[in-house]
Amino acid sequence: DAGVIQSPRHEVTEMGQEVTLRCKPISGHNSLFWYRQTMMRGLELLIYFNNNVPIDDSGMPEDRFSAKMPNASFSTLKIQPSEPRDSAVYFCASNVDRGGGYTFGSGTRLTVV
Amino acid sequence: RKEVEQDPGPFNVPEGATVAFNCTYSNSASQSFFWYRQDCRKEPKLLMSVYSSGNEDGRFTAQLNRASQYISLLIRDSKLSDSATYLCVVNSGANNLFFGTGTRLTVIP
Repeated sequence: DAGVIQSPRHEVTEMGQEVTLRCKPISGHNSLFWYRQTMMRGLELLIYFNNNVPIDDSGMPEDRFSAKMPNASFSTLKIQPSEPRDSAVYFCASNVDRGGGYTFGSGTRLTVV
Repeated sequence: RKEVEQDPGPFNVPEGATVAFNCTYSNSASQSFFWYRQDCRKEPKLLMSVYSSGNEDGRFTAQLNRASQYISLLIRDSKLSDSATYLCVVNSGANNLFFGTGTRLTVIP
């Protein structure tokens, strides 16, 4: 099992540019989560998909953030336009929807300058 | 009020010591509970689930007190490799995990 796979591992971009983060959940997991982690705020849930359908996007900071899950094996989180305050580590996680724990990917460390 | 609250630490303990972390949660309807471990610049990883009857995994013991809405993690005979941040995690029942901000542990030689 390859685990949850995220790309890129690191991203440095200039303010105003579009950023796309990618995630491949564990095969057979039907729930996918995008989190953002900063020193100040800890882990924050951005959006949650179940069976490829967005269930809760109340954590998405603003309209600059969007997420898609076109199929069971792929999801993207897009920030357009990016701002310095978006700098954080973005984690993708997945699980089987039975109220259990999640498996996290290695994260994408985003720096917006 | 935050869903999950825990002491951020840091806890600095000598090797071999016993250390305990506590956490409280606000939603009395919460159904499942976990401790995660996060190493510096790594992703959180599931350490153990927490059951109502309490459970033990080697040097680690987790306890749940539903009446007080309180979860604990006890680490006995601390090792240098136990140095990490420990995250208290609560599932609200809608497959949505709420994470505490974490307690940092440093085990000193």
